[in-house]
Amino acid sequence: SQQGEEDPQALSIQEGENATMNCSYKTSINNLQWYRQNSGRGLVHLILIRSNEREKHSGRLRVTLDTSKKSSSLLITASRAADTASYFCATDASTGNQFYFGTGTSLTVIP
Amino acid sequence: DAGVTQSPTHLIKTRGQQVTLRCSPKSGHDTVSWYQQALGQGPQFIFQYYEEEERQRGNFPDRFSGHQFPNYSSELNVNALLLGDSALYLCASSLQRSYNEQFFGPGTRLTVL
Repeated sequence: SQQGEEDPQALSIQEGENATMNCSYKTSINNLQWYRQNSGRGLVHLILIRSNEREKHSGRLRVTLDTSKKSSSLLITASRAADTASYFCATDASTGNQFYFGTGTSLTVIP
Repeated sequence: DAGVTQSPTHLIKTRGQQVTLRCSPKSGHDTVSWYQQALGQGPQFIFQYYEEEERQRGNFPDRFSGHQFPNYSSELNVNALLLGDSALYLCASSLQRSYNEQFFGPGTRLTVL
């Protein structure tokens, strides 16, 4: 299956620290996206990185993509308590337009 | 401009029953995708509707069916409910030509007893 895996499953940090989570996937992709989900609610789109891009920034977010290793990382700098949520990566296979989500990283930012 | 809306918010059904969930896409969007998210898991793709037809389907049984209306809104129907169907059901809308920009609704929490 295409489904990715995030690592770690859970992460707990102090406010102000940086949080890094990783995503691995299995087949060729067009794009990779990161989403945030608060307490079992809807998903909020954070950032999209295309397969021909290696790094992308958005505010306190930095995403990298290594297609040779089929992996991506999401860095949240200067974390805040409000960043507490589950984070998912989602990929779309190069042969279709459905999304495959990973298993998620649960981030807790302690004030 | 309203985003993606879903109804109901919560639903409790018993095994064997049937359920219908509803989704209204973001204004201007023509494509609706449905996902099932079990507790502690990532969302799993169920199917996608465009031009009132099912365009793609994930690995879900025929008990899961859907419909898209001329106004682009969509329904997800699940027949013969099983305990394992308990999950958060998410709807996402997009434009077919830019499918990668999907906007998600808040979800419907279905509990099957």
